[in-house]
Amino acid sequence: GDSVTQMEGPVTLSEEAFLTINCTYTATGYPSLFWYVQYPGEGLQLLLKATKADDKGSNKGFEATYRKETTSFHLEKGSVQVSDSAVYFCALIFSGGYNKLIFGAGTRLAVHP
Amino acid sequence: ETGVTQSPTHLIKTRGQQVTLRCSSQSGHNTVSWYQQALGQGPQFIFQYYREEENGRGNFPPRFSGLQFPNYSSELNVNALELDDSALYLCASSKDKGADSPLHFGNGTRLTVT
Repeated sequence: GDSVTQMEGPVTLSEEAFLTINCTYTATGYPSLFWYVQYPGEGLQLLLKATKADDKGSNKGFEATYRKETTSFHLEKGSVQVSDSAVYFCALIFSGGYNKLIFGAGTRLAVHP
Repeated sequence: ETGVTQSPTHLIKTRGQQVTLRCSSQSGHNTVSWYQQALGQGPQFIFQYYREEENGRGNFPPRFSGLQFPNYSSELNVNALELDDSALYLCASSKDKGADSPLHFGNGTRLTVT
């Protein structure tokens, strides 16, 4: 079945370090891809998305490119801040009848000053 | 614009009991989805309601049921609670039922079953 695999956390970085969180997917078609972020005690917030191959989603300094050939959607940020500490979820969805997101297990990011 | 609100924020129940969780959708949204997030895991889709009818369901047993009301608020009911039902339950609303309509999540209800 369709699934999303993320790198295991926690990822621990110093402030201003470069961030990469790997995400790969298995899908029978061509889904839209998302990154969501969950801050402590809060629900999920959409961080960025890409709807077709080679699209690049970006928001708040984060970027991810939809790579069909490698079925990947890796999240990157050039310089992380303490405030970026959260759990990051990669997810996919198919166009069609209803709005069912399939999530990865999440990757916890901890950024230290 | 009021976002998605869920109640209660925390709940403790005993195995075998029944529970009802509530969700108020964001203004202008007619679709509500429910997700279960076990500790250390990603959310899993339970079901979606569109204009008061269930229009999609994940791999959850029938003891998970729901309702959507004319004002598009929603309830999630779980009967015969099991220990594995302990999780964060997330509600999300959207303007429409299709995949192109972004989901807006509430902060969740933390259910503990003892």
